[in-house]
Amino acid sequence: AQTVTQSQPEMSVQEAETVTLSCTYDTSESNYYLFWYKQPPSRQMILVIRQEAYKQQNATENRFSVNFQKAAKSFSLKISDSQLGDTAMYFCAFASHNNNDMRFGAGTRLTVKP
Amino acid sequence: GAVVSQHPSWVICKSGTSVKIECRSLDFQATTMFWYRQFPKQSLMLMATSNEGSKATYEQGVEKDKFLINHASLTLSTLTVTSAHPEDSSFYICSARSEDRDGQPQHFGDGTRLSIL
Repeated sequence: AQTVTQSQPEMSVQEAETVTLSCTYDTSESNYYLFWYKQPPSRQMILVIRQEAYKQQNATENRFSVNFQKAAKSFSLKISDSQLGDTAMYFCAFASHNNNDMRFGAGTRLTVKP
Repeated sequence: GAVVSQHPSWVICKSGTSVKIECRSLDFQATTMFWYRQFPKQSLMLMATSNEGSKATYEQGVEKDKFLINHASLTLSTLTVTSAHPEDSSFYICSARSEDRDGQPQHFGDGTRLSIL
């Protein structure tokens, strides 16, 4: 079974600075997908960024980028130029290639301070 | 983009009643939908996978007689919490598999907050 671990329950960062959220996972599969989701107080699940395991290049989406280390099974999220609106819960998630289900980490509560 | 509608968004009811939550894919067909449960300050936990026209697959520890899932069409799955009790109070989120549309393999509904008095 796949497991996803987020070891940082809470993080804070000053506005405009950079923060990195950690995520590790365990799987025996070679082809899969990894995601970072943002869940603001409204509790909507918002996709931040996604990475396909067979792609070596790290995914980037504007201020958000990942450091995907397949051998180490690590998938960290870097948020640059943090904004107050980035304050939310962030969940790392794993999905098999056949995408039958998605497994989430415990989440990291990020607070961006003015 | 793909939209998943979940209804109701919030429901309060008395202990012992049954509550039905609907999950609809509005602009795409979803042969597979997923139901998650999220307790306060916790992560999403997969409850069951709902497949159109067949029985749902439940995760270990989830009572299938308690949480009835019906996926009668390609755009609608329902979760019925039968004889709900206060411990069933939680946030329930559905998602629909979209065959990797728009870079998102699953699209999430906005969730249902269930409060049992």
